Amino acid sequence: EVQLQESGPGLVKPSQSLSLTCSVTGYSITSNYWGWIRKFPGNKMEWIGHISYSGSTSYNPSLKSRISITRDTSKNQFFLQLNSVTTEDTATYYCARYYGYTGGFDYWGQGVMVTVSS
Amino acid sequence: DVVMTQTPVSMSVSLGGQVSISCRSSQSLVHNNGNTYLSWYIQKPSQSPQLLIYKVSNRFSGISDRFSGSGSGTDFTLKISRVEPDDLGVYYCGQGTQYPLTFGSGTKLEIK
Repeated sequence: EVQLQESGPGLVKPSQSLSLTCSVTGYSITSNYWGWIRKFPGNKMEWIGHISYSGSTSYNPSLKSRISITRDTSKNQFFLQLNSVTTEDTATYYCARYYGYTGGFDYWGQGVMVTVSS
Repeated sequence: DVVMTQTPVSMSVSLGGQVSISCRSSQSLVHNNGNTYLSWYIQKPSQSPQLLIYKVSNRFSGISDRFSGSGSGTDFTLKISRVEPDDLGVYYCGQGTQYPLTFGSGTKLEIK
């Protein structure tokens, strides 16, 4: 069974960087696409970006200047770094598998709530 | 970006009833390869989103046949029949045809 688990700090100060890890079990990240999505207070959901089976990345242009998604295939983990955070980055962050055949996110982590506050 | 517009914002339904949720995209979701990458998700209280439907009308593994998706081009519908208590939550449509990937604003389903 494919399982994903996010980890990282729940509180980040404005202007600092947010770093999250997604640990995947039951499936190799050298197949398919592995993404980050965030849900803001309220219901708005935003795709942040993803890293492919080959290590190539796609980012949301609205965040492109501030984000980096990388991976460690030896640990079957991928990572999100979001720089220069503001209070508007306060959200629950999810990692998920994006399955190209379906065009959807079929397996999700449980999410990590990140608050940006001084 | 492709804007996904969902209606209604919220709705209340009796157990055993039927609901329809609409999702409209600002551009056609037909990909160059001929597929239409429109998905539906549910986020139940205190849980992560779950994939219900992919490519307009295909139920994901383990999803009840009470859930059905239809539509084409820019207009799509999710129908839930014989509503059960476990169906409450927020439903989202999402598109995977064009980058950046985008989601609808959500429809909250409450049980009367």
